[in-house]
Amino acid sequence: QKEVEQDPGPLSVPEGAIVSLNCTYSNSAFQYFMWYRQYSRKGPELLMYTYSSGNKEDGRFTAQVDKSSKYISLFIRDSQPSDSATYLCAMKYSSASKIIFGSGTRLSIRP
Amino acid sequence: SAVISQKPSRDICQRGTSLTIQCQVDSQVTMMFWYRQQPGQSLTLIATANQGSEATYESGFVIDKFPISRPNLTFSTLTVSNMSPEDSSIYLCSVEGGGIHNEQFFGPGTRLTVL
Repeated sequence: QKEVEQDPGPLSVPEGAIVSLNCTYSNSAFQYFMWYRQYSRKGPELLMYTYSSGNKEDGRFTAQVDKSSKYISLFIRDSQPSDSATYLCAMKYSSASKIIFGSGTRLSIRP
Repeated sequence: SAVISQKPSRDICQRGTSLTIQCQVDSQVTMMFWYRQQPGQSLTLIATANQGSEATYESGFVIDKFPISRPNLTFSTLTVSNMSPEDSSIYLCSVEGGGIHNEQFFGPGTRLTVL
């Protein structure tokens, strides 16, 4: 079993829809949770960074961590065609430990 | 966040040859990381490079195949040696941005195709 599982998609939604991207993980020791966005032929870009449980909001993006269920989510409100990218969840045990990445979900927003 | 550049951005190489990828950062950083991203796969850490010391390699990666240099706090190179088609991948350089949680930022990547 992989440490971090992420549905690869592709996920296609119409412009303006709310998008929900999810990851599950197996090790309860993870404390730091991240979402990266990767456009085609570009490097990953850090989108959201959360420590422990709870929600974090930044503009149209909300990151949610449920440690009891070992489940993290990224919500995108009012989705735009420019949000079309691959979204990678990532997590680590401590601030100094290496990052474990999910395989990424390819998202396409239809105009 | 740091600005990271990589050279080359892409290359097509012949089996058995070697390619050196350069990573330049616009500020001094302690730790630099090299990742591999194969098609449809997650990012896999190859090694961590600290200035002034030998790189630390992850399981499955060895120095003879992926030698790394870290001559100063803003620059590193990764060499992919004796390449085979299985080495075709995107290679990414990453640095810690210095935030309280050691957030990591990535370069644009080098897309390598081995024929």
